[in-house]
Amino acid sequence: GAGVSQSPSNKVTEKGKDVELRCDPISGHTALYWYRQSLGQGLEFLIYFQGNSAPDKSGLPSDRFSAERTGGSVSTLTIQRTQQEDSAVYLCASSPPSWDSGDNEQFFGPGTRLTVL
Amino acid sequence: TQLLEQSPQFLSIQEGENLTVYCNSSSVFSSLQWYRQEPGEGPVLLVTVVTGGEVKKLKRLTFQFGDARKDSSLHITAAQPGDTGLYLCAGLRAGSYQLTFGKGTKLSVIP
Repeated sequence: GAGVSQSPSNKVTEKGKDVELRCDPISGHTALYWYRQSLGQGLEFLIYFQGNSAPDKSGLPSDRFSAERTGGSVSTLTIQRTQQEDSAVYLCASSPPSWDSGDNEQFFGPGTRLTVL
Repeated sequence: TQLLEQSPQFLSIQEGENLTVYCNSSSVFSSLQWYRQEPGEGPVLLVTVVTGGEVKKLKRLTFQFGDARKDSSLHITAAQPGDTGLYLCAGLRAGSYQLTFGKGTKLSVIP
C-alpha cells in the first residue's frame, strides 16, 4: 500500500514568511509524529498526535510552531514568521494502532526540506 | 544532553570489510530500534530489539541489545556499497510513545 507522503518536498521561503507543511499518513494509522532533522543532528521530536488530539506538544521549539490533524488523517505543521534557524528537513511518521510488547514501529515520509533565506 | 550517543559519527571503509556501530545511553529503554536513512528519504526501520541480551540477524547485519538495555550495537559483515547510508538508533522508554534518536552514523562503503 501507499506509504507516508509529505508535501512539498522542498520549500524555499524568505525570512518572516509563514509556511505550511503537509503530511498524509498511512491509511488506518492512528498515531502521527513530526520531527525536525538538522544537518549533523539526529531527529528532534516536535509533536505527537493520537487521532486528532495532540497530548504532547513539548517538542515544539517556539510559539511560532503549530500543528493540527483533521479526520484522524492529514496533518499540517505551520511555522509562522520563519527564521533562518528553522531551516531543516521536517519529517513526518505514522504508526499503526496495535502495540506489540513495547514495540513502536514508525513509518517515515520522505520529508520536506525547508530553506529560509 | 544527548540521551543516546552513537559512535562513530562517520565511517568510511572498503567493500568487504567488517564494521560495528555503537549506541550507548545511561538510560534504560524498553526497546531499541535501528533505522537506515538514505539521502532525500525518511528513515526505514531495520530491526527492533526488546529483550536484554537479544541478538537479531538480518542477512549480513547483526544487532545486539545490551543486557541492561542501555546500549546496542550494529555489526555489518563484508560491507557492500549498498550498505552506504545514515544509521540511526532510537530508544523507547517504558510507558512512553516517544522515540529518542541518536545523531546517527554516516557510513560510506567504497567499492
